[in-house]
This record gives sequence, structure tokens and C-alpha cells, in this order.
Amino acid sequence: DGGITQSPKYLFRKEGQNVTLSCEQNLNHDAMYWYRQDPGQGLRLIYYSQIVNDFQKGDIAEGYSVSREKKESFPLTVTSAQKNPTAFYLCASSATSGRAFFGPGTRLTVL
Amino acid sequence: GENVEQHPSTLSVQEGDSAVIKCTYSDSASNYFPWYKQELGKRPQLIIDIRSNVGEKKDQRIAVTLNKTAKHFSLHITETQPEDSAVYFCAASSGGGTSYGKLTFGQGTILTVHP
Repeated sequence: DGGITQSPKYLFRKEGQNVTLSCEQNLNHDAMYWYRQDPGQGLRLIYYSQIVNDFQKGDIAEGYSVSREKKESFPLTVTSAQKNPTAFYLCASSATSGRAFFGPGTRLTVL
Repeated sequence: GENVEQHPSTLSVQEGDSAVIKCTYSDSASNYFPWYKQELGKRPQLIIDIRSNVGEKKDQRIAVTLNKTAKHFSLHITETQPEDSAVYFCAASSGGGTSYGKLTFGQGTILTVHP
């Protein structure tokens, strides 16, 4: 999991503003994922991508968008349509063996 | 879709005791069951996983058991140590190939090991 990086570590968003969270991996994994974690709760899947230029919605995709132009990168945009975006965002990647490894996370706070 | 229930939500044990965390899942197509440990403010770390063609797996002090008929799997930690204190999450996936990371998580168990 040391091969997955996320930036920034902390992010503050004003009302009505779009923000983009970065996720990069150098593990040569085909699949990448975005999860959201709220305090005291489990992780919920936002979006995932199994191959470049393709991605699918997870359980809570509303108010979020993604792109997958490169194998190494899977940025997540939190749009103004996401009404309660304050959370801990975790990016993960996996190879065909299945095991998913997480990045260090981005903590997003709405001001 | 898949639903994963995890119990207990909190677990307190004395150092050296065993700890058991249980999860149930709803989707009979689920075939991969990982467990993650998360320390405060950190990323989840994979500690053990099991696939549906195996009933039990052990790695030193940690073991996982799977009962496909009952749709139930459990994490067992023996000889607990204070550094085992963390939040533990179970998860389930019905994906194959590159979809194994498409996980449904339980709500987590806060494990506290008292010295």
C-alpha cells in the first residue's frame, strides 16, 4: 500500500465549490476505487474503474465525478451537488489477485 | 445489493485473551472476504482474507473462518496485545478478476486490549 498516494492530506471546501482529490498508484494495478468513510462508520463505495477510460458508479455516486485517463491515476471531484461532503476519502487499488490496498486518505471539510 | 452486518460494535478484552468478531452477509454470490484493521486517522490495512473455496485460514495469531451455508464469517485473534487495539472491518465482494476491490464493508468493531 506504500505505492498509493493521495493528495492533499487535508482539504477545505467552501459552499458551492468543486474540489478534486488526487490518487496515484505505481503498483501497476488495473483497478482503482474511491471510498468514503464517515465518523464511526464503515467505508462506502463511490466509484470504481477496472480499466483505463472506463468507470462505474458505486453505492453513493451522486454529487461525485471521476476520470481514468491513465492507469496510474484516478482523481475524484466532489461537486457542489454533494450536499454533505465532509468525510474521510480513501482511494484503493487492486490487481487481479484481488487484494485491495488503500492510500493514506484525504480528509475533506466543508467550511 | 450486498449487506454486511458486523458484531459487536465494541469489544474490550484483557491482554492475552482471545477476541472474536462476527460478520454476516446477504449475497450468496459473494466469494471473497477480507478483514481490515484501521488505527485512528490512518488508512485501513489488510490483515487477512479468505475466499469462498476455503473454510478457514490462519496467520500467526489471526484466523478467519467462513460458513458459506450460514453466510457467516469470523475473525479470531488469540493472545491479544495492546497494539491490537484498533477498529476492525469485515468486508465482502462478489467480484472476480479486477472487481475484488469492489467491497461492501461492515460497520466496524472497536477493539480495546487492556494491559
